[in-house]
Amino acid sequence: EAQVTQNPRYLITVTGKKLTVTCSQNMNHEYMSWYRQDPGLGLRQIYYSMNVEVTDKGDVPEGYKVSRKEKRNFPLILESPSPNQTSLYFCASARGTVLAKNIQYFGAGTRLSVL
Amino acid sequence: GQQVMQIPQYQHVQEGEDFTTYCNSSTTLSNIQWYKQRPGGHPVFLIQLVKSGEVKKQKRLTFQFGEAKKNSSLHITATQTTDVGTYFCAGPEEAGTALIFGKGTTLSVSS
Repeated sequence: EAQVTQNPRYLITVTGKKLTVTCSQNMNHEYMSWYRQDPGLGLRQIYYSMNVEVTDKGDVPEGYKVSRKEKRNFPLILESPSPNQTSLYFCASARGTVLAKNIQYFGAGTRLSVL
Repeated sequence: GQQVMQIPQYQHVQEGEDFTTYCNSSTTLSNIQWYKQRPGGHPVFLIQLVKSGEVKKQKRLTFQFGEAKKNSSLHITATQTTDVGTYFCAGPEEAGTALIFGKGTTLSVSS
């Protein structure tokens, strides 16, 4: 089954404790992206990757890191989480490297609370 | 920068009433996509419109892309409780490397 898998689904942590949210897709998609969703603000892109070893900042990259060492995986790293990073996070993937006509497939989401 | 705006932010209807959400872009779009997110779920692709003036239907859902390719709408006829959720429109930013999402319209339906 074609899917984007995120882990964990729920995470409660404390300020400053490094964490990683994993994302894996089995569709051989070139493009992967991370979004955060906050009430009233919709989906905002954090980082994206057009292929292995190619990453770029989205609209809200501060406080986040990503890596793309393998095509299928795109982990999101919070080196020193802060309470303003409490949010619902989605990973997405799409075929190709130009999004003009490509559908994005989303993972189930990770709800993060930073205390 | 490029923006995609959606109205209304929230809409409550009685089951059986119609519903429309509108999407406006600050720039001309090569295409527009619509996604639905059920409560507690993740966004799921509904449809993509590419041609100026295009109209597509999916059962009770009608999607339109404006003649100038800067606006779009989603109309649901005779809403059902299964239509509950947030509907997002999204258009590619000019470089084509990201999708810009509207903030979404959250639809609630009472029976």
